[in-house]
Amino acid sequence: DIQMTQSPSSLSASIGDRVTITCRASQGISNNLAWYQQKPGKAPKLLIYTASTLQSGVPSRFSGSGSGTDFTLTISSLQPEDVATYYCQKYYGAPWTFGQGTKVEIK
Amino acid sequence: QVQLQESGPGLVKPSETLSLTCTVSGASVISGSNYWSWIRQPPGKGLEWIGYIYYSGSTNYNPPLKSRVTISEDTSKNQFSLRLTSVTAADTAVYYCARGSYSGPDLRPLDYWGQGTLVTVSS
Repeated sequence: DIQMTQSPSSLSASIGDRVTITCRASQGISNNLAWYQQKPGKAPKLLIYTASTLQSGVPSRFSGSGSGTDFTLTISSLQPEDVATYYCQKYYGAPWTFGQGTKVEIK
Repeated sequence: QVQLQESGPGLVKPSETLSLTCTVSGASVISGSNYWSWIRQPPGKGLEWIGYIYYSGSTNYNPPLKSRVTISEDTSKNQFSLRLTSVTAADTAVYYCARGSYSGPDLRPLDYWGQGTLVTVSS
């Protein structure tokens, strides 16, 4: 099975900072990569699919890039409401594996 | 607006079977456009995909759980269900149901989620 590895596992940044999270697949997955945001006590929320397509209603400060094995989620200007854990997920071809998560905090 | 709601016992004894139901509104479980998934999250840990059912009754499960998992659908009630047998404390988690879908030829991931339900395995 394909493994998904995120880095870093946690980060602390200031309001307005550019934040980058990476996700690496153990084998190529084309662009079948999603990013989710999960706030404490809440269900995950889909942010991005097909590696770079923004889900409807998601702020434009979120963006995704990559293809094959290496992917990136970028928050262009970190806001207080972005404090959450972010997960990548490989889909299309079971199992639909999640990365281990990246916790984003405000410095 | 698609909505999903999990229901089922919050406490299950070790070695017994965990059974949860997801009630769907705003979409049909028999629609060929949708995949219906279960995902779980142990307390303080990450997300684990359990499996999905497709409208034809086709299923796909995460290999580590495959021998213990069954996902089924009840089209008359617009619900789908999870059964996990021989549970242990390691199965204690928040269980989520969610929808994946096709948009034309393109598969989209899990865009609608239930709120989640905590299931504790304990005697």
